Amino acid sequence: EAAVTQSPRNKVTVTGGNVTLSCRQTNSHNYMYWYRQDTGHGLRLIHYSYGAGNLQIGDVPDGYKATRTTQEDFFLLLELASPSQTSLYFCASSDVAGGNYAEQFFGPGTRLTVL
Amino acid sequence: GQQVQQSPASLVLQEGENAELQCNFSSTATQLQWFYQRPGGSLVSLLYNPSGTKHTGRLTSTTVTKERRSSLHISSSQITDSGTYFCAITGANTGKLTFGHGTILRVHP
Repeated sequence: EAAVTQSPRNKVTVTGGNVTLSCRQTNSHNYMYWYRQDTGHGLRLIHYSYGAGNLQIGDVPDGYKATRTTQEDFFLLLELASPSQTSLYFCASSDVAGGNYAEQFFGPGTRLTVL
Repeated sequence: GQQVQQSPASLVLQEGENAELQCNFSSTATQLQWFYQRPGGSLVSLLYNPSGTKHTGRLTSTTVTKERRSSLHISSSQITDSGTYFCAITGANTGKLTFGHGTILRVHP
């Protein structure tokens, strides 16, 4: 089973602050994803990546940047954090099997509060 | 875009009863997963079931892709089954998961 870890697990910052959320997966998956979860909206995709150096825009990308530095590491950057970005953030990874996207494995989540 | 609808929105059971959760989706999915989440907790993948019937422990999922529906059956529910169950699908062209809004399950003694 894929191992996906996230850090920090909890983060509090102020409006306008700079925040970096980290994600690492150790099963050599090519695909990595950043989601946010909010009451009333469910889980929504922010950014995703097909491999090191690749970045794809998700469904709610505004206010977020992301970088995939290696196959293992995917970062989410909030350069000017706003209270609307207070949320629970999940990272996930998966691969392609038989031409189809395979099961996604999720990290434990990072709870971000922007005051 | 793809849409995923789950029903019921919430369900209350007595311990030992069975539960049937439904998921309907708007386009042909190449991947379907059921997830479980405790309040504020992580997402635990329960079953990866793009088609057919899959079992794990007390859980059974049946996906009929042509009819764009999937179900999750929980047998002999336990108090520890309480939480939110999500259905999520991926379309043919990307690996993006689209989630339903979940079914909140509460199991009472």
